[in-house]
Amino acid sequence: GENVEQHPSTLSVQEGDSAVIKCTYSDSASNYFPWYKQELGKGPQLIIDIRSNVGEKKDQRIAVTLNKTAKHFSLHITETQPEDSAVYFCAASWGGGTSYGKLTFGQGTILTVHP
Amino acid sequence: DARVTQTPRHKVTEMGQEVTMRCQPILGHNTVFWYRQTMMQGLELLAYFRNRAPLDDSGMPKDRFSAEMPDATLATLKIQPSEPRDSAVYFCASGLVLFGTSANPNYEQYFGPGTRLTVT
Repeated sequence: GENVEQHPSTLSVQEGDSAVIKCTYSDSASNYFPWYKQELGKGPQLIIDIRSNVGEKKDQRIAVTLNKTAKHFSLHITETQPEDSAVYFCAASWGGGTSYGKLTFGQGTILTVHP
Repeated sequence: DARVTQTPRHKVTEMGQEVTMRCQPILGHNTVFWYRQTMMQGLELLAYFRNRAPLDDSGMPKDRFSAEMPDATLATLKIQPSEPRDSAVYFCASGLVLFGTSANPNYEQYFGPGTRLTVT
C-alpha cells in the first residue's frame, strides 16, 4: 500500500517568514495530493490540493509543488502569520484498483509562527 | 454554509460500555469516511461508504467495531464493548468525487469536528 512520509515534524518560524513542509510518497500510481490544516480541537480542513498532471498550484499565500519523478510534493506558505499556526497534514491517493480513492496521510507537521 | 456534523462532540464512558457516534454528511455527498486520530498512530482510516454501501472496512477491528449508513443523511460508528485503547478522536469525512471515473474516483474530503472518546 501507499506510504507517505512528512518532514519536518515541527517547524518554528517568525511572522513574515516562509515555511516549507515536504512529503514523499511510495506508490507511483498516486495521482491526487491534498493538504490539510488542523487547528486545536477541530477537524482537518482542506487548504489546497494538486493533481498529478500539474506541477504547481498557488492560492494566495500558499502553494504546492509536485515532482512526480522524485515522488515528492511540498507545501509553501509565504508571509506567515500567527493564525497559520496549526498542524499540517499531507496526503496521497489513487482512485484505481482496490484503493477506491482512499487517502494515506503523513504524520503531520506542527507549525508555530511567532509574532 | 455546508458542513459535516458529528455527535456527540465528547464522550466519556467506562470500559465494556457501548458507544455510538453519529455523522451527518454534507447534503449531496455520496461518500462517507470514518477516521481515528491518536498521537501515536496519527490519522487512520477505519471504514468508508459510497452510496450507503460499505466499500472498505479493513482498517476497523471487526470484533468490536461496526459502521453503518442507514440513510443518506446519517452514518454511525459503534463500538461494543469499548476498551481504554479505543480512546481517540473519531472523525467523519464527507466526500465529493473530484475527478476520475465512478470505478476509479478521487475524492475531495471534508472533515467534521470529531468526537473525542475517552474510555476509562
